[in-house]
Amino acid sequence: DGGITQSPKYLFRKEGQNVTLSCEQNLNHDAMYWYRQDPGQGLRLIYYSQIVNDFQKGDIAEGYSVSREKKESFPLTVTSAQKNPTAFYLCASTSGSSYTDTQYFGPGTRLTVL
Amino acid sequence: AQKITQTQPGMFVQEKEAVTLDCTYDTSDPSYGLFWYKQPSSGEMIFLIYQGSYDQQNATEGRYSLNFQKARKSANLVISASQLGDSAMYFCAMREPRYNAGGTSYGKLTFGQGTILTVHP
Repeated sequence: DGGITQSPKYLFRKEGQNVTLSCEQNLNHDAMYWYRQDPGQGLRLIYYSQIVNDFQKGDIAEGYSVSREKKESFPLTVTSAQKNPTAFYLCASTSGSSYTDTQYFGPGTRLTVL
Repeated sequence: AQKITQTQPGMFVQEKEAVTLDCTYDTSDPSYGLFWYKQPSSGEMIFLIYQGSYDQQNATEGRYSLNFQKARKSANLVISASQLGDSAMYFCAMREPRYNAGGTSYGKLTFGQGTILTVHP
């Protein structure tokens, strides 16, 4: 089955630690995205990548980093510089970057900083 | 200014009845796409329906239809014959052509604040 997987589902981190969230897709999609969702809110774009070895900052990139070494994978690192990292993180992908392309989402990772 | 506005924080509907979830948007671009997503308590975002700005007819997908009024900049989601499993958060989103520093289009998706739908038996 084609789809997007994210792991882990729940993640707990101590303050001051970096943590990496995994996102893998087997849809053969070129573009991948990371969003953050806070309780009762919509989604905000953190980073996106349209092609391997290239990525761009979204609206709230500070305190986050990404890599795109393979088409299938787009991991997100939440660094200690991110002031309020507790949130729900969603990864998405699209076959292209046109405004008509539908974004499909993974199941999400819920990060809690203790 | 808000790009996407969902004015109903919560909606209630009786099972088997129809319900309309409101969405208005703001853009000066003639080319854009409008999307509705469902987010159940599990958290995943499920794509429901898409309407392109140049589409002449309202989009339909099973029990979901989109009431697209371009002049009013509204894209309301209509769910017919509500089911208990429809209880969830619903997000309206708009994708506009945007260009990064390198001049490449990346089609940014902007979300509304969402509407919580509760279906009563």
